[in-house]
Amino acid sequence: DQQVKQNSPSLSVQEGRISILNCDYTNSMFDYFLWYKKYPAEGPTFLISISSIKDKNEDGRFTVFLNKSAKHLSLHIVPSQPGDSAVYFCAAKWSNTDKLIFGTGTRLQVFP
Amino acid sequence: EADIYQTPRYLVIGTGKKITLECSQTMGHDKMYWYQQDPGMELHLIHYSYGVNSTEKGDLSSESTVSRIRTEHFPLTLESARPSHTSQYLCASSELRFGGNTIYFGEGSWLTVV
Repeated sequence: DQQVKQNSPSLSVQEGRISILNCDYTNSMFDYFLWYKKYPAEGPTFLISISSIKDKNEDGRFTVFLNKSAKHLSLHIVPSQPGDSAVYFCAAKWSNTDKLIFGTGTRLQVFP
Repeated sequence: EADIYQTPRYLVIGTGKKITLECSQTMGHDKMYWYQQDPGMELHLIHYSYGVNSTEKGDLSSESTVSRIRTEHFPLTLESARPSHTSQYLCASSELRFGGNTIYFGEGSWLTVV
């Protein structure tokens, strides 16, 4: 049973527009969420995180929103750039463990 | 920026061979991890360590073994490789940040067993 779900396997966005990547989770014990970006043949790169005590965290062009009641989080990238084209993984954990549970990823393509 | 290094990056070996994937980090992190990812699938934790001489199995069963003799070094060994071991292996380490642990990954080791 997948505890972290990214239901959109791919997303295509025009350069300069907003990219919105979604993630749903089922385990209400999760209290820390992270987004990673992964280029082919490379390891995931940490992007941004959010604790369950917050509903929004912003870092430059990247903003993560957390809706605990809906068990949903999203990553907004504004403005999108061609270099953002990659696979984005959502991950979650709960405080008494350091093990991350990953989603299956969403492939973002930003075209000119 | 995380300083975590994996070697080899790419390896093709024959069935039955022994292989060790190296992982080193220079950040002084106590916690280190090995994840396995098949193409198009999620990352699965196969081993983790909370410090020297500490190793634990992860959520996904793996025939590999790990050791943690030094803080900065966390190698993964397959005693007898099989084609089913073909996958990407990602080493990671973590620090406490912004209320939670943030895990940083190396670039990964792509293993193909023929």
